[in-house]
Amino acid sequence: KNEVEQSPQNLTAQEGEFITINCSYSVGISALHWLQQHPGGGIVSLFMLSSGKKKHGRLIATINIQEKHSSLHITASHPRDSAVYICAVRSGNQFYFGTGTSLTVIP
Amino acid sequence: KAGVTQTPRYLIKTRGQQVTLSCSPISGHRSVSWYQQTPGQGLQFLFEYFSETQRNKGNFPGRFSGRQFSNSRSEMNVSTLELGDSALYLCASSLVSGDRGQDGYTFGSGTRLTVV
Repeated sequence: KNEVEQSPQNLTAQEGEFITINCSYSVGISALHWLQQHPGGGIVSLFMLSSGKKKHGRLIATINIQEKHSSLHITASHPRDSAVYICAVRSGNQFYFGTGTSLTVIP
Repeated sequence: KAGVTQTPRYLIKTRGQQVTLSCSPISGHRSVSWYQQTPGQGLQFLFEYFSETQRNKGNFPGRFSGRQFSNSRSEMNVSTLELGDSALYLCASSLVSGDRGQDGYTFGSGTRLTVV
C-alpha cells in the first residue's frame, strides 16, 4: 500500500476550467508538499503546508489534517499549467511521494 | 539569485562502475536532499544533509552514499552501478533541515544517469 495516493492519474481539461487534484495519505506528517514537474524533468515546489489553505496566483492548496487529505485547485486553467503534479509528505525521517497527476490543458 | 545547480546534466556509465553527482545549493541554504526518479518507482527519497551531517536516509542500499561540504555543496556517489540505477537524480536545497522552514524546497534540473 502506498503511503500517498493521488487522483486522478490523468486529467484533460479545456482552457479556463477549474481543476482539482486530490491527495490522501496514511501516515502522520509534519508537512505536505505540492510539486509541479514539466516535461524535461525540472521540479518546482508549489506549496508546503501543514494546516489550512495557501494561495499563490491561480493555485490554491488546502489540507485537512484530521481526514489526511489535501487538494490542489487551479482556477482559470491555461495550457502552460500542463504538467505532472506530485503530492509529497514528510513523515518522521522519511519522505513519501504520490505517483503524480498528469494534467493536460487544451486551448 | 542563482538556483540549485546539478552537474553533470547527463551521464552514461557502464554496469559495475561508480559515479559521483554534484549539487550546489542556493546561496545561504544549508540543507540538501537527494531523490531518485524512475518511470517504474516514481520519485523516491535518497538522503538529506544539513551542516555536513546526514540527517535522514531513505530505503536505498549502501551502494548509495553522499556527503556535504562546509560550503553546503553536496555530492552523491553510487558504487557498483546496476542497470536499475538508470534514473533522473534530483537534488533540492532548503534553508533548514526537514520542514521547519517556510520556503519549502528548490530543486535542481537533475542529472540523468544511464547505466549500460
